[in-house]
Amino acid sequence: SQQGEEDPQALSIQEGENATMNCSYKTSINNLQWYRQNSGRGLVHLILIRSNEREKHSGRLRVTLDTSKKSSSLLITASRAADTASYFCAIRAEFNDMRFGAGTRLTVKP
Amino acid sequence: DTGVSQDPRHKITKRGQNVTFRCDPISEHNRLYWYRQTLGQGPEFLTYFQNEAQLEKSRLLSDRFSAERPKGSFSTLEIQRTEQGDSAMYLCASSPFLTFFKSSGNTIYFGEGSWLTVV
Repeated sequence: SQQGEEDPQALSIQEGENATMNCSYKTSINNLQWYRQNSGRGLVHLILIRSNEREKHSGRLRVTLDTSKKSSSLLITASRAADTASYFCAIRAEFNDMRFGAGTRLTVKP
Repeated sequence: DTGVSQDPRHKITKRGQNVTFRCDPISEHNRLYWYRQTLGQGPEFLTYFQNEAQLEKSRLLSDRFSAERPKGSFSTLEIQRTEQGDSAMYLCASSPFLTFFKSSGNTIYFGEGSWLTVV
């Protein structure tokens, strides 16, 4: 498969808690990106991590990449109700364009 | 607004009819992508253009589907003889194309999607 697979499929947490989502893939990649999608809307880019990077931060987001395990994780700290959305990882393999997994549906309860 | 624009946002059509969606990418983005998304699933790649050239087509893109980008700017996605299974959101995205060695930094920017319901 040339796409990432997110885990878990659904996650429900209380406001203020941290949310962790994982992505696994099977091919070699150039980079891995995380996107967010509010219900019925388009996808919004969150963060990109290149294959030679291990960790990146952006605000309350932290992304890690382990190319030996072909996996990535997205951590959202101090979650808010507004973080409720679906989160997708997307991989860009060499000579191919972006492929998306089925996503993790995050619900943050106030 | 200089984002990716899609039209129409919603379309209800009877089975067997043809429908066409339009996408206006971010200006100066020479790559344009079409994805299809059904409820509870991630976007499925359909096809992409670099300028006016259609470089890749998914096997999901049956012969009832055709996409064009005649002048390398806006694109259209036409579905002929629609079937109920075509009901989905059709997403357009665009990105700049950097050189091969810099392409690892490409981010794609999505429009809000066009919802198709075939009844």
